[in-house]
Amino acid sequence: DAGVTQSPTHLIKTRGQQVTLRCSPKSGHDTVSWYQQALGQGPQFIFQYYEEEERQRGNFPDRFSGHQFPNYSSELNVNALLLGDSALYLCASSLVGRGGINTQYFGPGTRLTVL
Amino acid sequence: TQLLEQSPQFLSIQEGENLTVYCNSSSVFSSLQWYRQEPGEGPVLLVTVVTGGEVKKLKRLTFQFGDARKDSSLHITAAQPGDTGLYLCAGEELTGANNLFFGTGTRLTVIP
Repeated sequence: DAGVTQSPTHLIKTRGQQVTLRCSPKSGHDTVSWYQQALGQGPQFIFQYYEEEERQRGNFPDRFSGHQFPNYSSELNVNALLLGDSALYLCASSLVGRGGINTQYFGPGTRLTVL
Repeated sequence: TQLLEQSPQFLSIQEGENLTVYCNSSSVFSSLQWYRQEPGEGPVLLVTVVTGGEVKKLKRLTFQFGDARKDSSLHITAAQPGDTGLYLCAGEELTGANNLFFGTGTRLTVIP
């Protein structure tokens, strides 16, 4: 049973460029959440996708956008990259059930460096 | 904005010692999750606590959720070098929004 996978592992971009990060959820999961983790800090919620729509959004600018595909995989896009966007980007998947605990499982992350 | 504060921020102890990490908030959460994260990797779920006052044990790790569901603690008995890592607590809102608010993290180093 494959866990959450993310690609690429590492990425180096320059200011002003655009980047796309990819995530495949854990088998059987239908919800994907994206988090940004700056060095030395806890992860910060970016947004969550369910049924191919953005369901919730954290305090991130419109430069951060996403997409969920029919197979539940997801992409995170960041436009007009800034130096401050350098971070570990984490994808987490979960199963939206009818109540109960929605435990999130994380992928290994994509390390983005903006020069 | 939900805020979860963890203490201590850094902890360095000798192998065999006991330790406790605290996670505090002024907000009430429907559930609270503890994760451990290794450098360059994603957080790995250790436990989820849901009921106020709940205590869960995972081998040498004991997790407790506060009665008011605002705080939690993680106690490690007889720490081992393999326990070294970043420990994160994360709370889920009462609204059931399913996004997690993470604490600031506790970086634990266990010296052999």
